[in-house]
Amino acid sequence: DAGITQSPRHKVTETGTPVTLRCHQTENHRYMYWYRQDPGHGLRLIHYSYGVKDTDKGEVSDGYSVSRSKTEDFLLTLESATSSQTSVYFCAISSDRGNEKLFFGSGTQLSVL
Amino acid sequence: GEDVEQSLFLSVREGDSSVINCTYTDSSSTYLYWYKQEPGAGLQLLTYIFSNMDMKQDQRLTVLLNKKDKHLSLRIADTQTGDSAIYFCAESNTGGFKTIFGAGTRLFVKA
Repeated sequence: DAGITQSPRHKVTETGTPVTLRCHQTENHRYMYWYRQDPGHGLRLIHYSYGVKDTDKGEVSDGYSVSRSKTEDFLLTLESATSSQTSVYFCAISSDRGNEKLFFGSGTQLSVL
Repeated sequence: GEDVEQSLFLSVREGDSSVINCTYTDSSSTYLYWYKQEPGAGLQLLTYIFSNMDMKQDQRLTVLLNKKDKHLSLRIADTQTGDSAIYFCAESNTGGFKTIFGAGTRLFVKA
């Protein structure tokens, strides 16, 4: 299995508080992604990174920011959490750009009350 | 925009074949994928097919691609209870960074 660790695995927070989710990889893959999974929507891309300090927006980026200061770490921040951000968040990595064979972490279940 | 559609549920008996279908809209799709998600886990890549191929077989898995109709299917032979999971169809193109996922098909395998 690809070495991807997400933390925390579960988090409950209140509306309006900041939240940071961490993704750590040991595969030295260049590309990293944050997805959210919601019933009926499959997975939707929030942000992705194509190198250290190189990031870009995905399909559902509003309300989220990311940072990648090291190859192995990709952080997702909810600046002011809202109930609509209650979801399961997955980090993924890949070594290819065109054929994106994605390897996923185990996910973070986030509940915003 | 691009879209990937799948039926939501499929129920089969143990030992039968399962066929999960998917349609996509992006005619520039280069790679098509099948991922499996077990409860409480992330997605796991099962197999993928390049768009210039019609079929790919990997042990119990057979992927069929009809590029004209933009239809992809995954056949699981001799389905086992351990195959019960959610199966996601996905597509990407050479530009990368934008794998589009379907909503997933939940496969129930009855013993």
